[in-house]
This record gives sequence, structure tokens and C-alpha cells, in this order.
Amino acid sequence: GAVVSQHPSWVICKSGTSVKIECRSLDFQATTMFWYRQFPKQSLMLMATSNEGSKATYEQGVEKDKFLINHASLTLSTLTVTSAHPEDSSFYICSATGWGSQGPVNTEAFFGQGTRLTVV
Amino acid sequence: AQSVSQHNHHVILSEAASLELGCNYSYGGTVNLFWYVQYPGQHLQLLLKYFSGDPLVKGIKGFEAEFIKSKFSFNLRKPSVQWSDTAEYFCAVNVAGTYKYIFGTGTRLKVLA
Repeated sequence: GAVVSQHPSWVICKSGTSVKIECRSLDFQATTMFWYRQFPKQSLMLMATSNEGSKATYEQGVEKDKFLINHASLTLSTLTVTSAHPEDSSFYICSATGWGSQGPVNTEAFFGQGTRLTVV
Repeated sequence: AQSVSQHNHHVILSEAASLELGCNYSYGGTVNLFWYVQYPGQHLQLLLKYFSGDPLVKGIKGFEAEFIKSKFSFNLRKPSVQWSDTAEYFCAVNVAGTYKYIFGTGTRLKVLA
């Protein structure tokens, strides 16, 4: 299956700083990437959808100025948590769909391994 | 709005016991249905999916799920669990034609050796 790699796997940052999380599709062109957030004992909540070369579409209640998403290439999307606060501590997961060498890879979502962000 | 409910948050079973995890969704239109598994420290992995056709779908590692449209359910089953099945299981749906996934809250399964 298609491979999505997320980096870093975990990060600790000080309150007020910004953190960037990368999501890469390794063997297919990710025309669309999704960013999810998972609080402890809760489900994955979709934060935003990004199409390559376009501005991200944010779900209701997600602050677009706080969670900056860039999807400038077909293999890379980044999520930047700006001015992070302890309440931003969470598990962030990306997924991607798009086109591989044998056609679309959009019949299912392929997920990165997630990034655990802890803001202290 | 679409939603997915998983009724069991924590399940503890002994090896060789049978497993059934419930999943119900709310949406009146056509959906695609998925079960994902997340082993500790690993990616979400697809167990099985249903798009159309035979409502009983078989996935990897001996898992299967049955789509019952009238009940808006897509329960996951395995006849005999193993210790290695210890993981968290997520049911998910996406509206046909879109790529947005709505996830259930997950069920944490612990299998005792």
C-alpha cells in the first residue's frame, strides 16, 4: 500500500513557541492531505483538508491562524502549531490520498504514524 | 452531521475467545465503511473496508465485518483472538465520493495470554 511518513514522532516544546510537523507521501502523489487531532481516549477529529497548491479548508472550530497548513508539493504537507499552549498538547495524525503509479490511491486513507506534541 | 459510535471503549478477552466490536453510524446516504487498527506505537492500519457488494467482508488477520444497512451497523468480528490482537480499533466512515473520514472513539482491546 501507499506509505505516508510523518515527522517528528514526538516533540516537546515550550509554551509560546511554534512547532512544525511534516507529512510526506513516499510512493505516491498526494493531491489531498488531511490533518487529524486525537485527544486521549477520544476519536480522531478532522482538523483540515489540504489540496496541493490550494489553501487548506478548516473544519468548524479549528483556528486557521493557529494551525497553519501548507501543501506546496505533491509529496509534502506541513502543519505548524503557532504559539503553542499546553492545551494544544495532543496526537496529530495526517493522512493522504492521491495518485500512484498504478492509478488512484484514494479508495482508502493512508495514515502517517502520528506526532505526539507536548507543550510545557 | 455524520457520526460514528463505538459502544465498547475497553474490552478484555482471553486468548481464543471470540470478539465482536460494535459500530453504528448515522448518515442517510451512501457511505464507505472501514475498520482500522492501531498497535501500540504504530500507524493506523486498514483491517478491512466495505464499499459495495457482499455485506460480509473479510480482512486481514482473520477479521471480518458485516454491514447491516437497516441497522446502520458495521460490526467487527474475529472467531478466536490472539495476544497479538491487543490494540486499539477504530471504525470509520466516509461519505461516498468524498475523502473525509469520520472516526468512532475507538475500542481498546486487551487480550490476555
